[in-house]
Amino acid sequence: LAKTTQPISMDSYEGQEVNITCSHNNIATNDYITWYQQFPSQGPRFIIQGYKTKVTNEVASLFIPADRKSSTLSLPRVSLSDTAVYYCLVGDPSGSARQLTFGSGTQLTVLP
Amino acid sequence: NAGVTQTPKFQVLKTGQSMTLQCAQDMNHEYMSWYRQDPGMGLRLIHYSVGAGITDQGEVPNGYNVSRSTTEDFPLRLLSAAPSQTSVYFCASRDRTEQRRYGYTFGSGTRLTVV
Repeated sequence: LAKTTQPISMDSYEGQEVNITCSHNNIATNDYITWYQQFPSQGPRFIIQGYKTKVTNEVASLFIPADRKSSTLSLPRVSLSDTAVYYCLVGDPSGSARQLTFGSGTQLTVLP
Repeated sequence: NAGVTQTPKFQVLKTGQSMTLQCAQDMNHEYMSWYRQDPGMGLRLIHYSVGAGITDQGEVPNGYNVSRSTTEDFPLRLLSAAPSQTSVYFCASRDRTEQRRYGYTFGSGTRLTVV
């Protein structure tokens, strides 16, 4: 399984764009990059998933360079309610739960 | 509302007691999993299932049993509780073919304390 490295914590202010980078140097050909968000006392929530280039949905964008050794989750105009832990996962989405390995995540704190 | 339901939300056990954490989903998902989360750490996989009658061990299976007799239910059994099993437990499910769009759906968790 590809190991991921993310910053332990980040601070931002309301209204700013936040970019969280994840390194995954040994990503495999069949692996996708998936991001989850977790609020205190709740289970993680799926945010976005991608394989290469750029993916965008209603809450975030995911940028993946050509070599796929890193990825960046972009949250536009964050609010206080975006304060959460963000997990970057790398694995084959067609595989079993063994492919879903959570690291320690990035604690994002949005300040007023 | 459709989703993953975990019961109970909170539980205190004495060392050596046994109990079952319940997990049910109404989305007809084939894949179901159990995780534990300890303070300041990510989630660690305990057991998982790819369909009724099929289960397998994850990263930290010792002290836990699972069974999957129906698609909807995936209970986690603690055989003889130990203080090291104090944790927050999450159940998750996903459709076998739709993971690329929606990922896993997680329950709200069971906070277990073993004294």
